[in-house]
Amino acid sequence: RKEVEQDPGPFNVPEGATVAFNCTYSNSASQSFFWYRQDCRKEPKLLMSVYSSGNEDGRFTAQLNRASQYISLLIRDSKLSDSATYLCVVNEGGTASKLTFGTGTRLQVTL
Amino acid sequence: NAGVTQTPKFQVLKTGQSMTLQCAQDMNHEYMSWYRQDPGMGLRLIHYSVGAGITDQGEVPNGYNVSRSTTEDFPLRLLSAAPSQTSVYFCASREDSNYGYTFGSGTRLTVV
Repeated sequence: RKEVEQDPGPFNVPEGATVAFNCTYSNSASQSFFWYRQDCRKEPKLLMSVYSSGNEDGRFTAQLNRASQYISLLIRDSKLSDSATYLCVVNEGGTASKLTFGTGTRLQVTL
Repeated sequence: NAGVTQTPKFQVLKTGQSMTLQCAQDMNHEYMSWYRQDPGMGLRLIHYSVGAGITDQGEVPNGYNVSRSTTEDFPLRLLSAAPSQTSVYFCASREDSNYGYTFGSGTRLTVV
């Protein structure tokens, strides 16, 4: 089983739609969690951290369920510029510097 | 404030050649890592460092060496390039384990 699993997509949604991505992780000792965004042929960029209480940044909402080892990202009112690959990232417990990346979920927002 | 700077951006090597990918950050971050990204496999950790003088292996360390003589620099050395090392390499740094990484713009390496 992969340490961090994501649905690869692609998710094709119209502008203005709400879309949700899910991610599961296998290491119950994982300590911190992030969502990254990666545009084609570019480096990954930090979108937001994920906190146990859930957190929101504008149109983006991240949730963490430690019991189910599950992370989600919700994008409301999708824009064309949201088209990208979204990477789920988990900080494994025990080795503070080791981040494990999911393979990403591709989002395509269309007119 | 340049963030994380990687050089070169593109490189073509012949099998058996060696080279060093450079990475420098100006944010005084203690943690630095090297990842490679291949289609369908996501980002895989090669080596990482939690401070000057301290390095450790990641998931795919074979064929690569690193050193961390200063906080700013974290070069990655390919000892004897192989076609399997054709990939996009990203260097990243972060302040500590509570933060996500800031990535450099990557080096696209082709080994022929």
